[in-house]
Amino acid sequence: GDSVTQMEGPVTLSEEAFLTINCTYTATGYPSLFWYVQYPGEGLQLLLKATKADDKGSNKGFEATYRKETTSFHLEKGSVQVSDSAVYFCALSGGSQGNLIFGKGTKLSVKP
Amino acid sequence: DAMVIQNPRYQVTQFGKPVTLSCSQTLNHNVMYWYQQKSSQAPKLLFHYYDKDFNNEADTPDNFQSRRPNTSFCFLDIRSPGLGDAAMYLCATAPAGGSYEQYFGPGTRLTVT
Repeated sequence: GDSVTQMEGPVTLSEEAFLTINCTYTATGYPSLFWYVQYPGEGLQLLLKATKADDKGSNKGFEATYRKETTSFHLEKGSVQVSDSAVYFCALSGGSQGNLIFGKGTKLSVKP
Repeated sequence: DAMVIQNPRYQVTQFGKPVTLSCSQTLNHNVMYWYQQKSSQAPKLLFHYYDKDFNNEADTPDNFQSRRPNTSFCFLDIRSPGLGDAAMYLCATAPAGGSYEQYFGPGTRLTVT
């Protein structure tokens, strides 16, 4: 079945460091890919998405490119801030009704 | 602003005492989902409605039920909460078709005493 694998956390970075969170997927067909962010005690917020191969999603300085050849959707940010501290979930739309399939999440902590 | 609202944000119930969590949306989306999320885990889909059609995940316990009286509202009923049902419960919505992007509410944190 469809699945998402993302790098284990936690990830701890200093402010202004470069961020990469790896995400790879297994899917039949052509799923849409998403990154969601969850701040402590809150629900999930859509950070960015890509709906077809080679699409780049971007938002708030974060970027991810849908790479069909490597089945990847890695999240990157050039300069993280303390306010980026959160849990990041990679997800794909799978199954007959497009239900989201989530990775296990990666906790990011950014230190001043 | 169009949004997904969950009430209450925090709910405390006693072991075995039925509890209902509520979700409403102003997005007019066809699909509404309920997820359970335990600490440091990904959300786990319990069930969803596509309009009035109910879709239960195979491993959702019978203890969990849902109602959707109209497009805007959806309820999660836990008939006899156990200690293992303590979790964050997330409601999400999505429009029919398209890229299956889901919009999440802020969640209800359920404590079972």
